[in-house]
Amino acid sequence: AQRVTQPEKLLSVFKGAPVELKCNYSYSGSPELFWYVQYSRQRLQLLLRHISRESIKGFTADLNKGETSFHLKKPFAQEEDSAMYYCALSRDGNNRLAFGKGNQVVVIP
Amino acid sequence: NAGVTQTPKFRILKIGQSMTLQCAQDMNHNYMYWYRQDPGMGLKLIYYSVGAGITDKGEVPNGYNVSRSTTEDFPLRLELAAPSQTSVYFCATLQFSSGNTIYFGEGSWLTVV
Repeated sequence: AQRVTQPEKLLSVFKGAPVELKCNYSYSGSPELFWYVQYSRQRLQLLLRHISRESIKGFTADLNKGETSFHLKKPFAQEEDSAMYYCALSRDGNNRLAFGKGNQVVVIP
Repeated sequence: NAGVTQTPKFRILKIGQSMTLQCAQDMNHNYMYWYRQDPGMGLKLIYYSVGAGITDKGEVPNGYNVSRSTTEDFPLRLELAAPSQTSVYFCATLQFSSGNTIYFGEGSWLTVV
């Protein structure tokens, strides 16, 4: 069965400092990986996906199949980055997502 | 265009009561999902549907039922509420043509006492 692990529940960083959220997965096939974000009082929304290889709001994430990781990074954290971040994996054609437990990010002004 | 709408947002149930969480979408998406999120945990899939008339179980279907008589609606039914069903419930939709982006509702907070 697929599994998504986000080891740190709470991450506090100062504004302007780098932020990295770790995500490791276990899945024997070719996964599709995503990062979802939930800002305070808002719904869960897609931040980025590995197949797009894009940078959204300064965040990037690279799929490392050798290390089975999909870590989320941003070089300079902003206060508006404070949110819950979820790593998710899609394993089949029905796009059923398996989620990690999430990371609470708090950016200190 | 409201997207994904869930009702109610908050509900307190007594053990053994039944209720239906409503989910409606106006995007004509074919896939719909119900997830639950327990405190400190990730989202877990309860049921999903790939189109009207078709439903299937997810990871944690016990204690729930769903139906999909129309593309727009995907209600989640709790027949005999138990304290273990205290959770936040999220409905979500997906259309392949949108690049496989999943759209979530705002969530429904359910407490069973």
